[in-house]
Amino acid sequence: EAGVTQFPSHSVIEKGQTVTLRCDPISGHDNLYWYRRVMGKEIKFLLHFVKESKQDESGMPNNRFLAERTGGTYSTLKVQPAELEDSGVYFCASSRHTSGTKYYEQYFGPGTRLTVT
Amino acid sequence: QKEVEQNSGPLSVPEGAIASLNCTYSDRGSQSFFWYRQYSGKSPELIMFIYSNGDKEDGRFTAQLNKASQYVSLLIRDSQPSDSATYLCAPRGSNYKLTFGKGTLLTVNP
Repeated sequence: EAGVTQFPSHSVIEKGQTVTLRCDPISGHDNLYWYRRVMGKEIKFLLHFVKESKQDESGMPNNRFLAERTGGTYSTLKVQPAELEDSGVYFCASSRHTSGTKYYEQYFGPGTRLTVT
Repeated sequence: QKEVEQNSGPLSVPEGAIASLNCTYSDRGSQSFFWYRQYSGKSPELIMFIYSNGDKEDGRFTAQLNKASQYVSLLIRDSQPSDSATYLCAPRGSNYKLTFGKGTLLTVNP
């Protein structure tokens, strides 16, 4: 079973530019999450999709961040316009929620390291 | 008070010893608890999870949970140099999101 994949692995952009990150969850996982780790801080939740619907976007920093999950498969996270403080590692995770389970364990992708200069 | 606090580390143990990693959390609504291992520059890798009070063993790993004390721990028996990594504690709330601690850096010395 293929794991969570993310693209690109690294991105360096200038302040004010736009960047789009992509995440492909594990096949069959309806739940998709975005997290971010900025330097020196803990990993922070950004948002949660169930299929194509946003279940929880309480962690999104501001309206420069836009996440989509068309068709309930892969997801994109767009930052427009990027600011210096957006630099960090963006992780995607996925989980499968089925009856009889209670853990809903999340599996993480390799992350995208974003550097805004 | 931070939402999730872990022993700050770094923690250094000799090969073959038991490594003990601790975590306290503030959200009493947390429903399950996850331990991730993260090697430098890599993504978090799920190694253990626990839902009920008590102990849960999986190979060399034992997770312990005490909801009344809002405390969860991870014991690694017979520590190996390959266990050297940062260990992240992550409670899951009722809304499914994980809240991470800063992690504890473990070094196992050969």
